[in-house]
Amino acid sequence: QKEVEQDPGPLSVPEGAIVSLNCTYSNSAFQYFMWYRQYSRKGPELLMYTYSSGNKEDGRFTAQVDKSSKYISLFIRDSQPSDSATYLCAMTTDSWGKFQFGAGTQVVVTP
Amino acid sequence: EAGVAQSPRYKIIEKRQSVAFWCNPISGHATLYWYQQILGQGPKLLIQFQNNGVVDDSQLPKDRFSAERLKGVDSTLKIQPAKLEDSAVYLCASSLLGEAFFGQGTRLTVV
Repeated sequence: QKEVEQDPGPLSVPEGAIVSLNCTYSNSAFQYFMWYRQYSRKGPELLMYTYSSGNKEDGRFTAQVDKSSKYISLFIRDSQPSDSATYLCAMTTDSWGKFQFGAGTQVVVTP
Repeated sequence: EAGVAQSPRYKIIEKRQSVAFWCNPISGHATLYWYQQILGQGPKLLIQFQNNGVVDDSQLPKDRFSAERLKGVDSTLKIQPAKLEDSAVYLCASSLLGEAFFGQGTRLTVV
C-alpha cells in the first residue's frame, strides 16, 4: 500500500464548475500538507500549504485537512480552462522532512 | 525573488553513458532536494541536503547515482552509467521553512 493515494483521473469538468480533489494517506505522523499544480513539461508549482487539521482559503482555492480521517482535499471554485493541469498532493512529518507525493490527478476544464 | 534554476532542460544520452544535472536553489534556502518523476507518477525523493550535509539518501541508487552540494548552495546530480529506466524528469527543489519550491526540471531520455 502506498503512503499517499491519489486518484489519477482524468477529471473533466465544465468551465465555472467546482473542482474537487482529494488524497488519503496512511502515516498518521504527517503534519504538513501541500497541493502543487503541474503544467505539462513544467515543474510543480506550490498552491497551498497547511499545517495540521483545518481549512485554508486563498482566492479560488480551498484546502482542507482532516487528520482524524487521514484525508485532505483541494477545491477550486469557478474553474477556468487555465486550471487544466495535474494536481499533486504532498505531505511531510516535519518542516525538514522529505515530502511524500501522491501520483497526481489530471484535471481538464472544458470551455 | 528568483526561483530554483536547473540545467540543462533536456538531455538525450545512450545507455551506459554518464550525465550530470545542475541546480541553483533559491537564495538562503538551506534544504535542497533532488526528485525523480517518471511519466504519470508523482515525484520520488532521491536525496535531501541540509546545507551541505546529506539528510536522506535512502532511495538514491548509489551504485550509479551520486550527488553533491558544494558550499551549501549549488548542487549536482550525476548518473553513471545510465540505464533505460533512468528516463524521467529530474526535479530540484529548495525550502526554508517547509514550503518546497521546484525548478523546471531536466527531462532525461536514455536510448
